[in-house]
Amino acid sequence: AQTVTQSQPEMSVQEAETVTLSCTYDTSESDYYLFWYKQPPSRQMILVIRQEAYKQQNATENRFSVNFQKAAKSFSLKISDSQLGDAAMYFCAYSGGGADGLTFGKGTHLIIQP
Amino acid sequence: DTGVSQDPRHKITKRGQNVTFRCDPISEHNRLYWYRQTLGQGPEFLTYFQNEAQLEKSRLLSDRFSAERPKGSFSTLEIQRTEQGDSAMYLCASSPRLAAYNEQFFGPGTRLTVL
Repeated sequence: AQTVTQSQPEMSVQEAETVTLSCTYDTSESDYYLFWYKQPPSRQMILVIRQEAYKQQNATENRFSVNFQKAAKSFSLKISDSQLGDAAMYFCAYSGGGADGLTFGKGTHLIIQP
Repeated sequence: DTGVSQDPRHKITKRGQNVTFRCDPISEHNRLYWYRQTLGQGPEFLTYFQNEAQLEKSRLLSDRFSAERPKGSFSTLEIQRTEQGDSAMYLCASSPRLAAYNEQFFGPGTRLTVL
């Protein structure tokens, strides 16, 4: 079974600075997808960024980028120029090659200090 | 807004009662997923449908849990004989048929409190 581990229950960063959230996963599959989802307080989960395992190039979406290390099974999220609106729970998620449900980590609570 | 909607948003019930939650996916999304999220945890996958067919239900937590999607549009999740341990947020997500990445769009959730 696949597992996703987020070892940082909480992270804090000053506004405008950069923060990196860690995620490791375990799988025996070669074809899969990885996601970072954001869940603001009392609001629904939204997709931040995704990465296809077959792509060596790291995904980037504006201020959000990932460091995907397939051999190490590591998938970290870097948020540049942190903004107050980035404060939320961040979940790392794994999907195999099919249409099955996602496997999530326990999440990291990101605090933005003004 | 044409996002995923869930009803009710909050449900308080007494132990032993049955509850039913509804999820309306994004229009034309043929895949629909149910998750449970307990406090301090990430969502836990329960079951999913492709159109009206329930393709995975072995992850439902017990035989007290059941889900339907009779016409391939909205779905319901029922919990019979609720227990205090069922208290959680129940999330629904949908995905389009041609989603290459299994990207799922989540609803706001139904928060269940069992007294």
